[in-house]
Amino acid sequence: ELKVEQNPLFLSMQEGKNYTIYCNYSTTSDRLYWYRQDPGKSLESLFVLLSNGAVKQEGRLMASLDTKARLSTLHITAAVHDLSATYFCAVGGTGGFKTIFGAGTRLFVKA
Amino acid sequence: EAGVAQSPRYKIIEKRQSVAFWCNPISGHATLYWYQQILGQGPKLLIQFQNNGVVDDSQLPKDRFSAERLKGVDSTLKIQPAKLEDSAVYLCASSLGTSGRGAFYEQYFGPGTRLTVT
Repeated sequence: ELKVEQNPLFLSMQEGKNYTIYCNYSTTSDRLYWYRQDPGKSLESLFVLLSNGAVKQEGRLMASLDTKARLSTLHITAAVHDLSATYFCAVGGTGGFKTIFGAGTRLFVKA
Repeated sequence: EAGVAQSPRYKIIEKRQSVAFWCNPISGHATLYWYQQILGQGPKLLIQFQNNGVVDDSQLPKDRFSAERLKGVDSTLKIQPAKLEDSAVYLCASSLGTSGRGAFYEQYFGPGTRLTVT
């Protein structure tokens, strides 16, 4: 059964600091997603990672995937207040089916 | 390019009543997903369509939930009868497909329907 664990679940950090969110999953997958959700809003797609060693960057966010370790990371560089949101990773089962979400990481960036 | 449309945005019903949600995916997207997001949790996939066929409904409570996607475009999700624990945001998403390049997998979410069951 495909399970997804994120940690930490809550993260409070100062502006300008760096931090990493971790996403572990239990079985083989052929795709991994990162999403952002602001309070009361829908989900915004950040990254889709497909292959081992994939790395994608957008602004202060960088995501990577290690399929052998079944681990993805979302690295935040020099955080700013506007990054405050909930970040979800989601893992897709093989064949394009069964997208399973993690519980989310609630990020607060303090000015 | 228009995004995923959903209606209604909000719905309040009493337990044991019925409710239906509508979703219009991005034009040309073959795959459509319905998710349930309970407050404070990640979304849970209820059902996934590929064109007008169901490819995964393993987490859909079939005794009370039903969904259809006629003509492979719009979709409706129905709950009958509703329970208190169905209070959640129901999110519809679509993607080009489920195989091929990365762009095919990317799921675009609609604004959601917030359901309150009293």
